[in-house]
Amino acid sequence: QITLKESGPTLVKPTQTLTLTCTFSGFALSTSGVAVGWIRQPPGKALEWLALFYWDDDKRYSPSLRSRLTITKDTSKYQVVLTMTNMDPVDTATYYCAHRGLFYYGSGTYYAFDYWGQGILVTVSS
Amino acid sequence: DIQTTQSPSSLSASVGDRVTITCRASQSIGNYLNWYQQKPGKVPKSLIYAASSLQSGVPSRFSGSGSGTDFTLTINSLQPEDFATYYCQQSYMTPYTFGQGTKLEIK
Repeated sequence: QITLKESGPTLVKPTQTLTLTCTFSGFALSTSGVAVGWIRQPPGKALEWLALFYWDDDKRYSPSLRSRLTITKDTSKYQVVLTMTNMDPVDTATYYCAHRGLFYYGSGTYYAFDYWGQGILVTVSS
Repeated sequence: DIQTTQSPSSLSASVGDRVTITCRASQSIGNYLNWYQQKPGKVPKSLIYAASSLQSGVPSRFSGSGSGTDFTLTINSLQPEDFATYYCQQSYMTPYTFGQGTKLEIK
């Protein structure tokens, strides 16, 4: 059974750095093709993809936030950590981590976020 | 970046209706298109991957179609539990992008 859970501060001040941890179970991040992603959702707004950590330690970021984001894997290999620098009130959102699963359909391999954490609402305010 | 644009942004329908939501990608993405359902205050749920393949446990009244740049999510015989916001997401390449969402409301 795959589960993920986000943890971290729920209130940060402008200009501070946010560090969120995704603790997961039920899968190994070392399994070929697997990835863990971070997605956020401002109140009442759409989902926004932030970053992805791959099974081979590769990483991808949203271009618009690339300079502020870092995604890493804890040495325990069951946690993925996202840091976002220089937080601003517009970064107020629910932050989700999610398992990117692999699906085989026809002759192709497809990816989707099939398991999500419960989300953590982070408010940026002085 | 590949942009994904959904239409309409909101939709009113009645129980038993058939509804269709459209997602358009700014360039061809083959069939690397996913659909998610999100109910108020809840976590998004994966419905469809590869444009048309239902996730395990998703009712058969949901269906997806399309390839290239144009995709649709169809819900036949709407049930009360289907009223939610639906998002498309392309997984063809990073940065993965979500559509802006379609809120399906009860008429």
